This record gives sequence, C-alpha cells and structure tokens, in this order.
Amino acid sequence: NAGVTQTPKFQVLKTGQSMTLQCAQDMNHNSMYWYRQDPGMGLRLIYYSASEGTTDKGEVPNGYNVSRLNKREFSLRLESAAPSQTSVYFCASSPGPQYEQYFGPGTRLTVT
Amino acid sequence: RKEVEQDPGPFNVPEGATVAFNCTYSNSASQSFFWYRQDCRKEPKLLMSVYSSGNEDGRFTAQLNRASQYISLLIRDSKLSDSATYLCVVNRGGGFKTIFGAGTRLFVKA
Repeated sequence: NAGVTQTPKFQVLKTGQSMTLQCAQDMNHNSMYWYRQDPGMGLRLIYYSASEGTTDKGEVPNGYNVSRLNKREFSLRLESAAPSQTSVYFCASSPGPQYEQYFGPGTRLTVT
Repeated sequence: RKEVEQDPGPFNVPEGATVAFNCTYSNSASQSFFWYRQDCRKEPKLLMSVYSSGNEDGRFTAQLNRASQYISLLIRDSKLSDSATYLCVVNRGGGFKTIFGAGTRLFVKA
C-alpha cells in the first residue's frame, strides 16, 4: 500500500519549457489536490478535484492546468514554466472534501 | 488578517518539557480541524484530528474552543524526534475550503 505517489521527485526546467507532474493514490479516495509550498508562505492550493470527473481552481491556479485521469490519478501541467513557479509541489488525497488529507512526498521544481 | 494564524516560533525546549501551540481561525463556519507535522523537506503528515470534546493520543492532546475560535496542541514529555513544524489545518466544509496555517517550528534539545 504505497499511499500517494508523485513523479518526478526533482526537476529543473528552463523558462518556457513545459512539463507534467504525476500523482497517483491507491486508497480509493474520492478527492485529490495539488499544492505548492514556498518558504514562509505555507501550503497554497493550486487545483483540486472533489470527485472523479470534476476539477476546480484553488487559490493560485494561474499558469497551471490539471487532469483527473481516473479515480487514482491527478496530474498537474505547467504549459510554459516561469521562475516564479520554482517551488515544492505536493499532491494529496482524501476520502472526501471535508476529511483529512494524505500527502505524497513532493516534487522539487526549479525553473531557471 | 490571515484566516488561520499560528505563532511561527521557533519554540526551543529541552527534552522532557511540555509545550503548547495555539492556532486561531477567523471563519466561524469552520467545521473540521486537524494538526499535521512536517519534517524538514518532507511532506506534511496527519498528527491528529481535533474534536469538540478534546482528544488525546499518547503524549499529544488537542483541544478546540469554538467560542474563541482557536485550537491548541499540547505535547508532553517532549522527545528529540518531536522536532518539526506543526501545521494547524481548518476546513470550512469543502476541498477548496481547507486552509493550512503557516506552521510553528519546534526544536527539542537534549
């Protein structure tokens, strides 16, 4: 039982490049989330999916897109990376929107 | 004013000490509450949920005061391994409505 897995663990991009961060959970959770964490800022919600087939914007969605591929998988895409997107990205899942969330190990992204 | 506020610390305590963290929230419609711990360069991990009647898990006690809109976490008999950042989390009833505090750093020293 792996919980929440994320790939890749580390990534360096040049400005303007694109990439997709992958997330999968094996807990049969309905809801999934993408956060970014910057020093001194705490966790900020980028996008979330309350259930399979739905996605909604969070606090900081600009520059990102998401896909809820199926119940297990929720991907985050950066279409044209910018230095301001240098951050640690965490994926999380929960049984439902009001319940506790379980986090993946994170992706450390640097955009130069 | 932030919706969820925590004292950033750091709190520096000796092993065996008792330490308490408070967290205030501004939205009275908040429905569920949690404490997470986050180790350096790691993901946040659920420490405990916080119930209206208060709850305890070993050396950890969490309490909720709805009237004053704060939650607290008490750690007794601190261990070196308790050194981490503790995040207060408040849910207003939906996925987009989960707000994480910025965290309180704890250092436990031998």
